[in-house]
Formats: sequence, structure tokens, C-alpha cells
Amino acid sequence: DAKTTQPPSMDCAEGRAANLPCNHSTISGNEYVYWYRQIHSQGPQYIIHGLKNNETNEMASLIITEDRKSSTLILPHATLRDTAVYYCIAKETSGSRLTFGEGTQLTVNP
Amino acid sequence: EPEVTQTPSHQVTQMGQEVILRCVPISNHLYFYWYRQILGQKVEFLVSFYNNEISEKSEIFDDQFSVERPDGSNFTLKIRSTKLEDSAMYFCASSITQGWNHGYTFGSGTRLTVV
Repeated sequence: DAKTTQPPSMDCAEGRAANLPCNHSTISGNEYVYWYRQIHSQGPQYIIHGLKNNETNEMASLIITEDRKSSTLILPHATLRDTAVYYCIAKETSGSRLTFGEGTQLTVNP
Repeated sequence: EPEVTQTPSHQVTQMGQEVILRCVPISNHLYFYWYRQILGQKVEFLVSFYNNEISEKSEIFDDQFSVERPDGSNFTLKIRSTKLEDSAMYFCASSITQGWNHGYTFGSGTRLTVV
């Protein structure tokens, strides 16, 4: 699986959009980009994933650049409950393991 | 919303003892996983299980570890002879497919403390 690079921490004001970047410059054509988050030592929670098109669900939007070397997770209206570590993971379609990195600690401030 | 249930939430055991961590995956899921997270460290993959056999395992998953699906609902992780360094949060997860087109659903974890 391709290595991903994320900033270690970010802050966001409550009610504002949180934009979390991820670099995956060595991603291969059959690797999806997944985002999970972990709220204070709870189990990781799946957020969204995509291959090359932008994706949106009830939790977030995922913007993947045309060259697929980077992506951005967007939480459109961050709340205090969105404070968590966010993980960006590049995963092949074959194989089952998720390789978690250090992630980005997002702190949403009142 | 369907959940992955893990029991117990916290287990304390003496070094050298056997422990069994239990998980009830989501009922229509076919793939099952164990991950662990040592305090302050990354979440690490241990093993995946499909069709009653291990489909993938990491270097961490040595002979001290085993997994089993003893009936149609439970999925267990056994550590035969616990060491201090086995102290960690253990997360069970399940998915409908191998995961590339769906996310995994994780349980809330079992905190294992080896003393």
C-alpha cells in the first residue's frame, strides 16, 4: 500500500469547514483512498473512500486531485464531536489489511 | 445502526495466562479482523478471517495468537501465554466484502492489561 503523509495536527472553529489534506504521491492505479477517524481510543470509524472521482456522503466529502497524488477530506460544518484523529489510508483492492499511520489530530474549538 | 460488539471492555490478566477476547460481528458480514493499539502508538493489523480460515496475518500474529469462529455469531482472539507487551486495546472489525468497496466496522475495543 502506498505511503500517506498527513499533518500531525489541525485546529478548526466549530461550525466551519474542516479541510484535512493527505499526500499519497506513490499511489498506484488500483489503490483506493480511505478515511477513518478515531475518537479518543474508541474503535476507528469509517468515513468515506474513493478511487478517482470526488465522493460525498452524510459525513464528509472527499476531493481527490486529478493526478491522484493527494486528497482532501472535508467536514462541511465541524462540531465538537468531530474532534478526533483522522487517518488517510491508501489500500489496494486485493488484500484485507488497513495500514494506519499517525493521522491528523483535528481539534474543533468552540 | 448495526454494531460490532466486543466483550469484555477491560480485562486484566497475569503474565503467562491465557486470555480470550470475544467479538460479535455484524450479522451479514463475511470478513472478520483483529487489530490492536498499544497505548500511544498506531493501530496495527493482526489478522483477517474469511470462510473459517485465516486469509491474512501480520508479523505480530505469531504462534501465541489464534482466532476462531466457534459458532455463527462469535469471533474470538486467543492469546495463549500473555506477555507484558501484549497490553493494548484490541479492536475487532467486520466487513461485507474484503473491504475495497466498503469500509470496515470496528468495535469499541477490549483494553487488555497484562500484569
